[in-house]
Amino acid sequence: GESVGLHLPTLSVQEGDNSIINCAYSNSASDYFIWYKQESGKGPQFIIDIRSNMDKRQGQRVTVLLNKTVKHLSLQIAATQPGDSAVYFCAENSQAGTALIFGKGTTLSVSS
Amino acid sequence: IAGITQAPTSQILAAGRRMTLRCTQDMRHNAMYWYRQDLGLGLRLIHYSNTAGTTGKGEVPDGYSVSRANTDDFPLTLASAVPSQTSVYFCASSPDSQEAQYFGPGTRLLVL
Repeated sequence: GESVGLHLPTLSVQEGDNSIINCAYSNSASDYFIWYKQESGKGPQFIIDIRSNMDKRQGQRVTVLLNKTVKHLSLQIAATQPGDSAVYFCAENSQAGTALIFGKGTTLSVSS
Repeated sequence: IAGITQAPTSQILAAGRRMTLRCTQDMRHNAMYWYRQDLGLGLRLIHYSNTAGTTGKGEVPDGYSVSRANTDDFPLTLASAVPSQTSVYFCASSPDSQEAQYFGPGTRLLVL
């Protein structure tokens, strides 16, 4: 079956450091991936996406890397700030064509 | 302001009662979704609709029903609430079923 997972349930960093959040996916046919951020008490918020014809995409302070060979996705956050503290989810498109498949999330804690 | 709204924000419900959670989007997205989020289980898809007039079952549809009479609205009904339906419910929408989803703020439901 399809599954999307994350390597670590929690990640603690100091303010100003760079953060790397990892995600492993199991379906080699998936061709679209998304990162979401969820702050406490709020709904998931779209951060950045990437399609399988790319291996890197940059946004504002965030970069997503896709390694299709090992089915690995990562989110890099530059100069991490306390406001970046949240749960981060990766998601992939479902081959069944119904909806995205979400991982369970990594909690990022940023201390100042 | 464009986006997704959900109502109510929170609700305490007696077991056996009927309840409808409301969801409205103004982005003219074709696809809409209902998820529940429980600690340790992540986001689980309840029902989805790829376009107005059609609906489909997700991972955990039992005890829930939906309708999609128009593009903007996607209500979720609990016909006879049970305590195991205590959860946070998120509605989401996307331009189509294989694109990034945008989430509402959630409804916190407690069934006693």
